[in-house]
Amino acid sequence: KNQVEQSPQSLIILEGKNCTLQCNYTVSPFSNLRWYKQDTGRGPVSLTIMTFSENTKSNGRYTATLDADTKQSSLHITASQLSDSASYICVVSAPLGTGGYNKLIFGAGTRLAVHP
Amino acid sequence: NAGVMQNPRHLVRRRGQEARLRCSPMKGHSHVYWYRQLPEEGLKFMVYLQKENIIDESGMPKERFSAEFPKEGPSILRIQQVVRGDSAAYFCASSPTPQRLGTIYFGEGSWLTVV
Repeated sequence: KNQVEQSPQSLIILEGKNCTLQCNYTVSPFSNLRWYKQDTGRGPVSLTIMTFSENTKSNGRYTATLDADTKQSSLHITASQLSDSASYICVVSAPLGTGGYNKLIFGAGTRLAVHP
Repeated sequence: NAGVMQNPRHLVRRRGQEARLRCSPMKGHSHVYWYRQLPEEGLKFMVYLQKENIIDESGMPKERFSAEFPKEGPSILRIQQVVRGDSAAYFCASSPTPQRLGTIYFGEGSWLTVV
């Protein structure tokens, strides 16, 4: 069964500190892996997208890594800010048939709270 | 801002009524996806539509739920005879091509409350 599991479920850190969120998946075949940020009451916003051949990708203070062999990804947030408080969702894309269509499989997310 | 537009943002329905949720994709996008998010849970895929076609509806409940994306106008997610368990946030997303490699863009969601 295709699954995406994230840890920890929730995390509290102090402003200015770094943190790393984990994502393990069993999706196969695999097209790409995405990280989204979802503020409370809002829609998800894309942070990064990586194919199986990419090991790392950065977007400002966000750095995602991918190990396609072990099927693990991480999202590292540097110098956290209060506005980083949100849910961070790992999403794995799997091909659906041969028509170029993909299905997105969402993790349950990690809820990050950044405290002053 | 020509982002993905969803309306209504909030909808309250009594049990047994119908709920209609609308989604206008970003300009130039012909692929639309609907997701449901229950409280404290991740997004769950419901249906993927291209103009006038349903590509994948494997996530749609067999009864009471339907979706369309007509040639003209927004995509509609329709829930008939709503029950309390239908209370959730419903997100629409769109992409210009099948989202094999590209980003898909989400709307801000429609929150359905069934009383």
